[in-house]
Amino acid sequence: GESVGLHLPTLSVQEGDNSIINCAYSNSASDYFIWYKQESGKGPQFIIDIRSNMDKRQGQRVTVLLNKTVKHLSLQIAATQPGDSAVYFCAELGFQGAQKLVFGQGTRLTINP
Amino acid sequence: EAGVAQSPRYKIIEKRQSVAFWCNPISGHATLYWYQQILGQGPKLLIQFQNNGVVDDSQLPKDRFSAERLKGVDSTLKIQPAKLEDSAVYLCASSLDDRVGQPQHFGDGTRLSIL
Repeated sequence: GESVGLHLPTLSVQEGDNSIINCAYSNSASDYFIWYKQESGKGPQFIIDIRSNMDKRQGQRVTVLLNKTVKHLSLQIAATQPGDSAVYFCAELGFQGAQKLVFGQGTRLTINP
Repeated sequence: EAGVAQSPRYKIIEKRQSVAFWCNPISGHATLYWYQQILGQGPKLLIQFQNNGVVDDSQLPKDRFSAERLKGVDSTLKIQPAKLEDSAVYLCASSLDDRVGQPQHFGDGTRLSIL
């Protein structure tokens, strides 16, 4: 759903470990979800998407899991690298008067050497 | 493939002044979006164009914000007059069309600071 507040949730992981970033979405009728990566001073970059008729989708080093029962989305990054440091946003295609992409609050991922 | 181009990268103005941002989408992309991203939050859609027509501007504060895409290619977003709460990054995105599954490609945004 819509984000609130100035303080992003943070996740710190060791380089080489796997990262799991979680997201709760708001609209049970949403049928399309996307994960974006945003580096400092840059625009969001598409990572992976998933439709509501799937519960898992894999990309290169990334996996998205969708649990529609509890309206939960997760992004798993395998073998985390320093270049993965960024803020990660989940977004749902919701309907608020018209079909639009609604971004969650975001999670800041920090990689420790 | 060239990405979404935005200018300027930074803008500092005083409240009650006017400001305009420019966006050139990826060539061939029919759908163009303007988002506002306040510090610490996710982007929020302001307006969506399909070619030169407005699809959704329900979250655009129309008393002070305006946007146009006259020839269906590049677009401008204007704020007049600016308020302190308009301080944010303004992101432009484009997609091939507005069908579900078409990813939105973002520019790097214009960071606006209101004094």
